[in-house]
Amino acid sequence: DTGVSQDPRHKITKRGQNVTFRCDPISEHNRLYWYRQTLGQGPEFLTYFQNEAQLEKSRLLSDRFSAERPKGSFSTLEIQRTEQGDSAMYLCASSSDESGYTFGSGTRLTVV
Amino acid sequence: AQSVTQPDIHITVSEGASLELRCNYSYGATPYLFWYVQSPGQGLQLLLKYFSGDTLVQGIKGFEAEFKRSQSSFNLRKPSVHWSDAAEYFCAVGTATSGTYKYIFGTGTRLKVLA
Repeated sequence: DTGVSQDPRHKITKRGQNVTFRCDPISEHNRLYWYRQTLGQGPEFLTYFQNEAQLEKSRLLSDRFSAERPKGSFSTLEIQRTEQGDSAMYLCASSSDESGYTFGSGTRLTVV
Repeated sequence: AQSVTQPDIHITVSEGASLELRCNYSYGATPYLFWYVQSPGQGLQLLLKYFSGDTLVQGIKGFEAEFKRSQSSFNLRKPSVHWSDAAEYFCAVGTATSGTYKYIFGTGTRLKVLA
């Protein structure tokens, strides 16, 4: 197993454009999380999937954000009409229980 | 509300010196506690975790942490720091609300190691 993979590693986009990030979790992990990390801060919870069901969304996740996990495998996080405040590292993590997440390397988004 | 406080934003130590990074948490129940390390531009790697039992837990890379319920603390220690330990360290508490288990992270402590 190669761990949690995130694609792309870096994304630069113009304000107002839509972007989509992908996360491939560890195959046997049924839990998948998205976090956002801004400079000088710890990661903040965005959303959680158990299998294909999205069970919780943070209030940080405005209606411009949407996440999916079709078939309970990979997940995508889409941001519509990006704003400069969306610039951050977007981290994906997966787990099979409460014993600890495995994080991906993240996607760094820069909105110009 | 649950929270995690890491009072030291930056810490500088000399290589070979001992290290202690502080973490205080606020959580109503018995917490699950974690320490993660993050190198620049990378994701987070789990160093160690505490669920129950022995309050001194050992982790990878020679790190250990001690859970002190009376002080609501979970400080990370290493007896002798190596230059490769320079990174950012995050303490986290695992919380379960409405059937969702998720982490709350502190703001991190950036460690600099002097040769």
